[in-house]
Amino acid sequence: GQQLNQSPQSMFIQEGEDVSMNCTSSSIFNTWLWYKQDPGEGPVLLIALYKAGELTSNGRLTAQFGITRKDSFLNISASIPSDVGIYFCAGQYTGANSKLTFGKGITLSVRP
Amino acid sequence: GAVVSQHPSRVICKSGTSVKIECRSLDFQATTMFWYRQFPKQSLMLMATSNEGSKATYEQGVEKDKFLINHASLTLSTLTVTSAHPEDSSFYICSATTGTNIYGYTFGSGTRLTVV
Repeated sequence: GQQLNQSPQSMFIQEGEDVSMNCTSSSIFNTWLWYKQDPGEGPVLLIALYKAGELTSNGRLTAQFGITRKDSFLNISASIPSDVGIYFCAGQYTGANSKLTFGKGITLSVRP
Repeated sequence: GAVVSQHPSRVICKSGTSVKIECRSLDFQATTMFWYRQFPKQSLMLMATSNEGSKATYEQGVEKDKFLINHASLTLSTLTVTSAHPEDSSFYICSATTGTNIYGYTFGSGTRLTVV
């Protein structure tokens, strides 16, 4: 099935730095979601975006739904060690019950 | 709110045996549940979508006779891996939705299956 494009596969930053992650698709989505997964756990929802152009914040996290509806970005400001994990973007076409399409994920490492 | 409990968190079984994984929505009614499989350092691969009271819809390439899914109530879905083989070893994750709000897309904590 289709996957969203997330790159690079891994990112290494220094504690306190900001980091931005992009997610792109060849198809339009109606909803964009960003999840974080810790080792051995299920993904946890960070931010959900419902409208093109929407900019939403959740603490140090900010995400935007691209105007073209084919992309989204997640920004983490002032990173801390517990930000370490895998960040997945996911898109949903239509319907509250419809399945999600996931990106491959970006593994974030934060150096103290 | 919106908690999904998945059990067991880890299971080791012998080749040829069957293993059942449970996914429960604790504080909401899940009209739809999804089952995913995840290999190390890879993304989540959707296996099937199950709606309460009806047969699951399997993704292409997923053997429905091997991965039996039952969604008999609005709070419980089960995945049974039948006649398990070592290549079935993986991390299995469920998610559930109320069907009315995207925040219903809550994931369980996953089950690490090891077939020896």
